[in-house]
Amino acid sequence: KNQVEQSPQSLIILEGKNCTLQCNYTVSPFSNLRWYKQDTGRGPVSLTIMTFSENTKSNGRYTATLDADTKQSSLHITASQLSDSASYICVVSPSSYNTDKLIFGTGTRLQVFP
Amino acid sequence: DTGVSQNPRHKITKRGQNVTFRCDPISEHNRLYWYRQTLGQGPEFLTYFQNEAQLEKSRLLSDRFSAERPKGSFSTLEIQRTEQGDSAMYLCASSPDGGTNEKLFFGSGTQLSVL
Repeated sequence: KNQVEQSPQSLIILEGKNCTLQCNYTVSPFSNLRWYKQDTGRGPVSLTIMTFSENTKSNGRYTATLDADTKQSSLHITASQLSDSASYICVVSPSSYNTDKLIFGTGTRLQVFP
Repeated sequence: DTGVSQNPRHKITKRGQNVTFRCDPISEHNRLYWYRQTLGQGPEFLTYFQNEAQLEKSRLLSDRFSAERPKGSFSTLEIQRTEQGDSAMYLCASSPDGGTNEKLFFGSGTQLSVL
C-alpha cells in the first residue's frame, strides 16, 4: 500500500534553534517528493519539489534532502523563527502526469517558542 | 490578490442541509483540484478538472457531492444532505498544467461544520 509516514507528529523548539523533520514513504513508482508548509486555518504552501535524481534542494532556511534508495526524506529548518510554527506535510507523487494521485502524509506540527 | 480564492471561509450548517462552496483559481490555470482535510490529517483528493472537464473523481466523493467548473474558470463544490462526517476543511488548488513537478497552489480553504 502506498503510504507516507512522517515523524515526529509534533515538535517544540526554541526560536533560533535548528530542527529536522522526517518522511518515509513506500510509494511505488516514484516521481517526486514535495514538502508543504501549512499554517493553521490556511492552505498548504509549497516549499520544495524533488525528483528521484535530486538529493537536496533549498528554499531559504528550508533544506530538503532525498534518498530515493532508502525512500526517506528530511526537511531541515535552520535558525527557526516564530513564523515557522506550522504543520509541515510531506507529499509523494507516483506519477509525473497525474497530480491527482499525490499521497499526503499527516504532517509534523512544529511550534517555535521565543 | 492573484492567489486561489475560496468562499466562504467558514460555513456552519445543520445536518441535512445543502451547502455550496466556490473556488476561484489563479487566472489561466487550467487544472483545478478539490481536497478534503480533517484535523490532524493530510489533504485527501476529491476531484480535479482540466479546464471544464472533470477528469477524475475519488471514491470518497459520494453521490451527495458534486463539483462543476462550467466555463473552465471558477468551480463550485456542492454537498447535498450534509452529514456530521462531512465536517472538514475543503481545499481548492490550481496549477498551470500537468507534467513533471506540477506545482499546486492552494487556497485557504472553506471550513465546514455540520451540526
